[in-house]
Amino acid sequence: DAGVIQSPRHEVTEMGQEVTLRCKPISGHDYLFWYRQTMMRGLELLIYFNNNVPIDDSGMPEDRFSAKMPNASFSTLKIQPSEPRDSAVYFCASSPGTGFIRGYTFGSGTRLTVV
Amino acid sequence: AQKITQTQPGMFVQEKEAVTLDCTYDTSDQSYGLFWYKQPSSGEMIFLIYQGSYDEQNATEGRYSLNFQKARKSANLVISASQLGDSAMYFCAKGTGSNYQLIWGAGTKLIIKP
Repeated sequence: DAGVIQSPRHEVTEMGQEVTLRCKPISGHDYLFWYRQTMMRGLELLIYFNNNVPIDDSGMPEDRFSAKMPNASFSTLKIQPSEPRDSAVYFCASSPGTGFIRGYTFGSGTRLTVV
Repeated sequence: AQKITQTQPGMFVQEKEAVTLDCTYDTSDQSYGLFWYKQPSSGEMIFLIYQGSYDEQNATEGRYSLNFQKARKSANLVISASQLGDSAMYFCAKGTGSNYQLIWGAGTKLIIKP
């Protein structure tokens, strides 16, 4: 099992540019979560999906952020246009949805820097 | 609003000593789960241990154990015989309802001294 795979690991972009973060969850996991981590705000849940359907996007900071899950093996988080305050580590995590003894499995994260 | 409190922003511990990281939580839920994650300097989030609110025994996973005191709403992580590799941020989290969403504490930075 390759775990949750995120790409890219690092992204540096200029303010105003579009940024797309990618995630491949663990096969068979029905739940996918996007988190953002900053020093000031800690870990924040942005959105989560169940069986490819967005369930709760109340954590998405504003309309510049959007997330999709076109199939069970792929999700994207897009920021358009990006701003310096979006600089953070973005994590994707997945969960099997039945029993939580093992919790979420996190990807390695994408460190986004907007200059 | 539900809240997870980790009162120790940072801790220094001598290698081979036991460590207790504190975690308290607010909840009116009857059924919930408590989690601890480790985040080393490399940045990944590593699941350590889970405790269900109805579990009668404290959870253990190798050198990690969870001191669960339900009436006090605390779920402290105990690391026995600390090692240099235990130096990391540690996060406590609580699962609500079906545990699909986790509420996170602010974390404790643990540094193990040789």
